[in-house]
Amino acid sequence: DTGVSQDPRHKITKRGQNVTFRCDPISEHNRLYWYRQTLGQGPEFLTYFQNEAQLEKSRLLSDRFSAERPKGSFSTLEIQRTEQGDSAMYLCASSRRGEGQETQYFGPGTRLLVL
Amino acid sequence: KQEVTQIPAALSVPEGENLVLNCSFTDSAIYNLQWFRQDPGKGLTSLLLIQSSQREQTSGRLNASLDKSSGRSTLYIAASQPGDSATYLCAVRDGGGTSYGKLTFGQGTILTVHP
Repeated sequence: DTGVSQDPRHKITKRGQNVTFRCDPISEHNRLYWYRQTLGQGPEFLTYFQNEAQLEKSRLLSDRFSAERPKGSFSTLEIQRTEQGDSAMYLCASSRRGEGQETQYFGPGTRLLVL
Repeated sequence: KQEVTQIPAALSVPEGENLVLNCSFTDSAIYNLQWFRQDPGKGLTSLLLIQSSQREQTSGRLNASLDKSSGRSTLYIAASQPGDSATYLCAVRDGGGTSYGKLTFGQGTILTVHP
């Protein structure tokens, strides 16, 4: 499968715990995006990487959130000291700069539930 | 700040009907507009992408139109089938020079096609 993959698909944690999600983009896609989607809403942008550089972060990304993309390949999103309000679907997307209109391809998402 | 609105929030139709989903956006300086489909608990599947210079795009039974000056797009689904039941999301990519391609989504239209 050459699509975007995310791991884990589901995560249940207790409030105050740290969690980390992984995204593997489509090979050779140099742009990578993280979005968050709460129930009944459309996805909201969190952050963007071009290769290994994090070039844009949303105000939604509080100090408890950190994202990395070492070597410009896979990316991780860590949430520290989770809160119940962090419960959501976390979506990763990738695209290739300069390719057509740069269609973003989305992964299946990681659904987080904070108890 | 770009805002995207989708109407209606939910739609239930009998199989075989032609239907129209609406999307409006506040800032007409967009780079492109995409329509996505999302099945329950799943990631997003791109359906159609319309460039800012285009008026419409077609794929099978789907036709999307774009009126950039009025900030509107419509997704037309012909001869609807139960398998079309899903949430349909509209997303715009702004055309500003500092845009890195992040998408701004509407809240979605939940479509149910009953046999």
